[in-house]
Amino acid sequence: DSGVTQTPKHLITATGQRVTLRCSPRSGDLSVYWYQQSLDQGLQFLIQYYNGEERAKGNILERFSAQQFPDLHSELNLSSLELGDSALYFCASSVAGHNEQFFGPGTRLTVL
Amino acid sequence: AQSVTQPDIHITVSEGASLELRCNYSYGATPYLFWYVQSPGQGLQLLLKYFSGDTLVQGIKGFEAEFKRSQSSFNLRKPSVHWSDAAEYFCAVLLMGNKLVFGAGTILRVKS
Repeated sequence: DSGVTQTPKHLITATGQRVTLRCSPRSGDLSVYWYQQSLDQGLQFLIQYYNGEERAKGNILERFSAQQFPDLHSELNLSSLELGDSALYFCASSVAGHNEQFFGPGTRLTVL
Repeated sequence: AQSVTQPDIHITVSEGASLELRCNYSYGATPYLFWYVQSPGQGLQLLLKYFSGDTLVQGIKGFEAEFKRSQSSFNLRKPSVHWSDAAEYFCAVLLMGNKLVFGAGTILRVKS
């Protein structure tokens, strides 16, 4: 157990819908990262937050957004969902930016 | 562009045999390197990391990895594989901007 929690574990929804994925970092970690794992793209970095502020952005679609709240938990919002958004979404956390990242168990999103 | 290459998609070894998983990176500066393991349906678990110093690093579960700057490699090794080591292994490099760039992964099968 890494100490990073993610909910829900599974999510099944339809195209065009909007979902919110939630992540709680390890106690004491200020940085939260979101990654997408799909069969065709592999593991891809989406976005990083540090102590509530966006710090780095990767290949995140405009339909996707994230935020980190004062209690340091983070949410990833995915809207206007398409079939291709079906993937495993991981949250990771670290003490600060340039350190090892610890991953949560992931949320498996299926878009039908 | 920065990249991580894991040339072997699948590797099969006999239980008790030694293991070496290859990883090559393309990155200008001294990299921070990691190996993660993902069991089916699970999240990513950190096996070991290299930041600086001794180029042979020890990790959990009896794994070790050696950083070779001249070959831009960070290969993962284990002297004797157990059936429970069957999983997918990912090599990753941490870039400035704090994002992890992952290789495509190597699936390890262990035969008894």
